[in-house]
Amino acid sequence: AQSVAQPEDQVNVAEGNPLTVKCTYSVSGNPYLFWYVQYPNRGLQFLLKYITGDNLVKGSYGFEAEFNKSQTSFHLKKPSALVSDSALYFCAVRPSGGSYIPTFGRGTSLIVHP
Amino acid sequence: GAGVSQSPRYKVAKRGQDVALRCDPISGHVSLFWYQQALGQGPEFLTYFQNEAQLDKSGLPSDRFFAERPEGSVSTLKIQRTQQEDSAVYLCASSLAGRQLSHEQYFGPGTRLTVT
Repeated sequence: AQSVAQPEDQVNVAEGNPLTVKCTYSVSGNPYLFWYVQYPNRGLQFLLKYITGDNLVKGSYGFEAEFNKSQTSFHLKKPSALVSDSALYFCAVRPSGGSYIPTFGRGTSLIVHP
Repeated sequence: GAGVSQSPRYKVAKRGQDVALRCDPISGHVSLFWYQQALGQGPEFLTYFQNEAQLDKSGLPSDRFFAERPEGSVSTLKIQRTQQEDSAVYLCASSLAGRQLSHEQYFGPGTRLTVT
């Protein structure tokens, strides 16, 4: 069975500092990995995905994520955090073959302090 | 362009009532997913449609839950005889292609169901 772990319920960072939101996964075969962001009273918005190729993926709003196969991780990063980045972040995984049902992590609340 | 819309945004139901939740996906999107999101949790899969065909309903928690997408566009999730444990946010998501596993999903704002 596939699973996603987001070990931190909350991440606090000062504006202008780099941020990292952690995600590890378990899946049979090769993974497709996704990051979504959820603002209050809004649906999830797609940020970026890893399908194949370069391990460093760049996405919306200056976010990037690094796929590490040996550590089964897909951590979300941004070099300089903005207060407006404060939101709930979800990591999701699907196997590249087989089930099309994605599994989501429980989410990490990112709080960026001015 | 127009995104995924859901209605109503909020629904309060008395225990035992039936409810119907509507999802309007992005025009032309083949795939449609329903999820249930409990407080402090990530979305949990309920059911999946490819056009009008319901290909997977393995996540529906009981036979009180029913979903349809009769013309391959708008979808309705119906919950009969609601129970307090049904209280959650119900999310709808659509995706451009069929079983293209690499495609991202576009989510609606959700319907917050509270059963009293």
